[in-house]
Amino acid sequence: SQTIHQWPATLVQPVGSPLSLECTVEGTSNPNLYWYRQAAGRGLQLLFYSVGIGQISSEVPQNLSASRPQDRQFILSSKKLLLSDSGFYLCAWSVEGNQPQHFGDGTRLSIL
Amino acid sequence: DAKTTQPPSMDCAEGRAANLPCNHSTISGNEYVYWYRQIHSQGPQYIIHGLKNNETNEMASLIITEDRKSSTLILPHATLRDTAVYYCIVRTHNYNQGGKLIFGQGTELSVKP
Repeated sequence: SQTIHQWPATLVQPVGSPLSLECTVEGTSNPNLYWYRQAAGRGLQLLFYSVGIGQISSEVPQNLSASRPQDRQFILSSKKLLLSDSGFYLCAWSVEGNQPQHFGDGTRLSIL
Repeated sequence: DAKTTQPPSMDCAEGRAANLPCNHSTISGNEYVYWYRQIHSQGPQYIIHGLKNNETNEMASLIITEDRKSSTLILPHATLRDTAVYYCIVRTHNYNQGGKLIFGQGTELSVKP
């Protein structure tokens, strides 16, 4: 069966520090991969998605970037974090077609 | 992707059926209806999806009206663990967009003993 792993579960970072969040999927090949962010009390916002290795699409302009160095690995990064980058970051995967997206347990990021 | 409208909150007694409505009057012919739920501090969990026929799985049933402008998610015997925010989403699969989900504010379901 397929599983998705995100780490770390929680992270506290100072303003201006770099960020690297990792997501890996097991049990499937060539998945679509997604990064979402959920601000406190609000719905999820899609940040990036990827349909293959090295293929990244950005949904909103921001201080973050994403990379997909391997088929089942998706990384969210920032060179310098802002206070507004705080939130709950979720990685998800799906196969092609009208199939569901499945989410990881998320990383709660607090910027001080 | 079509916009959905859900009540912001609902209560349900434990052991009773929970019926969560969703309006999607601008849905187009190739858009599916998806339901997810999010328990506090966890990632969203997929529940069920459908195109035009009613669907049932081990978690819930999805009833879609004949004109497809609304749907109802049914949890047949709600438990306290079903307390969560429930999201109704309609989308098509656009290969160039990877089939993104657009989450609204959802319905906060409280199951009470």
